Amino acid sequence: EVQLVESGGGLIQPGGSLRLSCAASGFTFSTYWMHWVRQAPGKGLVWVSRINGNGAITNYADSLKGRFTISRDNAKNTLYLQMNSLRAEDTAVYYCAPQADNSGYNYFTTWGQGTLVTVSS
Amino acid sequence: DIQMTQSPSSLSASVGDRVTITCQASQDISNFLNWYQQKPGKAPKLLIYGASNLETGVPSRFSGSGSGTDFTFTISSLQPEDIATYYCQQYGSLPITFGQGTRLEIK
Repeated sequence: EVQLVESGGGLIQPGGSLRLSCAASGFTFSTYWMHWVRQAPGKGLVWVSRINGNGAITNYADSLKGRFTISRDNAKNTLYLQMNSLRAEDTAVYYCAPQADNSGYNYFTTWGQGTLVTVSS
Repeated sequence: DIQMTQSPSSLSASVGDRVTITCQASQDISNFLNWYQQKPGKAPKLLIYGASNLETGVPSRFSGSGSGTDFTFTISSLQPEDIATYYCQQYGSLPITFGQGTRLEIK
């Protein structure tokens, strides 16, 4: 069974840093693109970042470039999101998800339960 | 960035009704369009991928159609358990973008 468990969220002051983790199991982690998606309270889904299987390729939402860094440790089957210079507008539930690839179609079939990041003084 | 305009933003319907949600892309995305269902406090669930392909295990009352810039999501006969917010998502080009969501309520 595919499982994704996010952790590392919490209350952080503006300007602070936080590292989120996503522990994956039940699939061959190193062969999957992995994504972070966030959702501010009461708002919609927003894509954050992705990383390829060996960690060599990363992409980010333009608004987050330079502040967030995605990485992975395939030996530990874990995905990370390092978040720096946090702002109130970064307050959200952060989800990780592997990218399914099926005949050219890409989608997210499995999501973690999410971890809540609250940026507030 | 490709903007996804979803409508309506909210919808109230009766059990058994046919429900339709539309999603319009600001550029041609071929059929690189997915639909998700999200219930309060839960992660999204994939319903439709590639615009019209039903994910395994998803009831057949859900369907999707369209290509290019205009897409439609349909529930043929609304059930009480379908109360949720529905999102379209494009992956034709980065950044991946989602529609703003459609909140579906029972009348």
